[in-house]
Amino acid sequence: AQTVTQSQPEMSVQEAETVTLSCTYDTSENNYYLFWYKQPPSRQMILVIRQEAYKQQNATENRFSVNFQKAAKSFSLKISDSQLGDTAMYFCAFMKLNTGNQFYFGTGTSLTVIP
Amino acid sequence: DAMVIQNPRYQVTQFGKPVTLSCSQTLNHNVMYWYQQKSSQAPKLLFHYYDKDFNNEADTPDNFQSRRPNTSFCFLDIRSPGLGDAAMYLCATSRDLRIFRQGRGNEQFFGPGTRLTVL
Repeated sequence: AQTVTQSQPEMSVQEAETVTLSCTYDTSENNYYLFWYKQPPSRQMILVIRQEAYKQQNATENRFSVNFQKAAKSFSLKISDSQLGDTAMYFCAFMKLNTGNQFYFGTGTSLTVIP
Repeated sequence: DAMVIQNPRYQVTQFGKPVTLSCSQTLNHNVMYWYQQKSSQAPKLLFHYYDKDFNNEADTPDNFQSRRPNTSFCFLDIRSPGLGDAAMYLCATSRDLRIFRQGRGNEQFFGPGTRLTVL
């Protein structure tokens, strides 16, 4: 079974600063995908960034980047130049490569960006 | 814009009174999912449809059923809601992974959710 752990239930960051959210996972699979999703208050969940396990290069999407350490089974999210709109719950998710694209979510990190 | 739509956004039902939540998608994705999300918790997968094939999670209560009459629509039926079933219910879709195995497009797209209150 796959498990995803987010050890920081809550975090805060000053506007314009950088923050890193941690995620670790446990799997016996060799090929898989990892995702970070953002869920703003009372709004729907949207994809922030994805990482294919077979790629060594860390994914980057504008102010968002990941530090993917496959051997350590670690997948942290770095948000640079934090903005007020980044305030949200962030979920790390693991996806097996099988029929149905089943996701396994972490328990989430609530991030507050302070003006 | 292509999207995942959930109706209603808020649903109130009485203890034991059957309720149906609906989801529709314009993305033409062949996989559809239902999640239950309780306050400050991660979404919990209830079941998913791969085309017409229904896949139930082992710990999903029998009280929860689903129907997918066509590619675009999927329904969540709660036969006898209990107080513990009050939650946000999220619908999501994705493409067939076999086609997009090593590319983009295998993420899940989520609807806005239906918040269910059980009185």
